[in-house]
Amino acid sequence: EADIYQTPRYLVIGTGKKITLECSQTMGHDKMYWYQQDPGMELHLIHYSYGVNSTEKGDLSSESTVSRIRTEHFPLTLESARPSHTSQYLCASSGGQDLAFSGNTIYFGEGSWLTVV
Amino acid sequence: AQTVTQSQPEMSVQEAETVTLSCTYDTSESDYYLFWYKQPPSRQMILVIRQEAYKQQNATENRFSVNFQKAAKSFSLKISDSQLGDAAMYFCAYRSPWGAGNMLTFGGGTRLMVKP
Repeated sequence: EADIYQTPRYLVIGTGKKITLECSQTMGHDKMYWYQQDPGMELHLIHYSYGVNSTEKGDLSSESTVSRIRTEHFPLTLESARPSHTSQYLCASSGGQDLAFSGNTIYFGEGSWLTVV
Repeated sequence: AQTVTQSQPEMSVQEAETVTLSCTYDTSESDYYLFWYKQPPSRQMILVIRQEAYKQQNATENRFSVNFQKAAKSFSLKISDSQLGDAAMYFCAYRSPWGAGNMLTFGGGTRLMVKP
């Protein structure tokens, strides 16, 4: 199991609320990612980061924002949640210290299931 | 841009039997990495097996092996002696060694059901 953690695992919130999904990894990885996945569907990259103070948008447009103030922490924030934001959000990381896999294998957290009502 | 296609939305296998999940991809790159990830219901995405494109030998991890056909851009996963715990969504993924963030491109997934 990889050392990457997401909280909360499950959350139900009302429309218009602000929510932050936390993601932390203890592997010293420089790259981190957020994927969005509807149940039983494919994954879509919404944000990624090369390292501290680096954030980029992914392939799928998202109203969420991210920050990378510390290497191990990559939180995702929705300022005003809507029902269309209901989905699973997967955090992932990869990095050069992963000597077991020279191709910088990406490791995933357990996911955060967000329901906006 | 790379694309990854999994043509089998669902597959079913009898316990202890062998099943093969298909994956094809499209790329103009000669060097890249391919992965199979397993995602049990409501649980973590787990790496099953990986293959470097420059290696001709097919990767093997215990009961899991791949058939990597570079010219055909095919990367199938074979699961031998299927177990009930193998039931999950399986995602094929492509990763370029270059490009922004080295992110993965995923296929649409194959749901594998294992019958006792």
